[in-house]
Amino acid sequence: NAGVMQNPRHLVRRRGQEARLRCSPMKGHSHVYWYRQLPEEGLKFMVYLQKENIIDESGMPKERFSAEFPKEGPSILRIQQVVRGDSAAYFCASSAIPDGLNTEAFFGQGTRLTVV
Amino acid sequence: DAKTTQPNSMESNEEEPVHLPCNHSTISGTDYIHWYRQLPSQGPEYVIHGLTSNVNNRMASLAIAEDRKSSTLILHRATLRDAAVYYCILRDPNSGGSNYKLTFGKGTLLTVNP
Repeated sequence: NAGVMQNPRHLVRRRGQEARLRCSPMKGHSHVYWYRQLPEEGLKFMVYLQKENIIDESGMPKERFSAEFPKEGPSILRIQQVVRGDSAAYFCASSAIPDGLNTEAFFGQGTRLTVV
Repeated sequence: DAKTTQPNSMESNEEEPVHLPCNHSTISGTDYIHWYRQLPSQGPEYVIHGLTSNVNNRMASLAIAEDRKSSTLILHRATLRDAAVYYCILRDPNSGGSNYKLTFGKGTLLTVNP
């Protein structure tokens, strides 16, 4: 059973370009979460999605960031017009159900975005 | 959200037990205590969780104080592969439907010496 798959593992973008980060959840999981980890910091929640629905985007920056989880295919985190401050590791997690009590979240290996 | 406090770093020797403490003096009666760890250049990995009673699994043990204001993650025999940042996280089922969020602090960086 493959785990959470994220690609690419490393992404370099010039300022002003777009970054697209992909996440395929574990088989059978329909709940996807994106987290961002800035250098020397802990992970911060960004957004929670179910298939075709954004449930909670309270951690997403108001501009330039968007996320989707289409009916078919991976979840995508899209960052438009990247700036140096967007350089971070972006992690995707998935779970079978959203209840966090007795359900562990499975994380991918992350995408490390570097903006030059 | 109730907050947790962990030491910034700890050191251990290989094959020896490690006790990683976590203080959560403002924990509510319904908060679960979860532990995750993050190996270098990896995503976080679930370790263990509990509510009131001590818990054991194949990775570790979780000892919870009687007043629940603190807990200790116990690695019985540390290996070099246990070197990671360990996060103690509280999760509340009554958090208005947002208990899926994990709130990561800075955690404890565990160094294991050969």
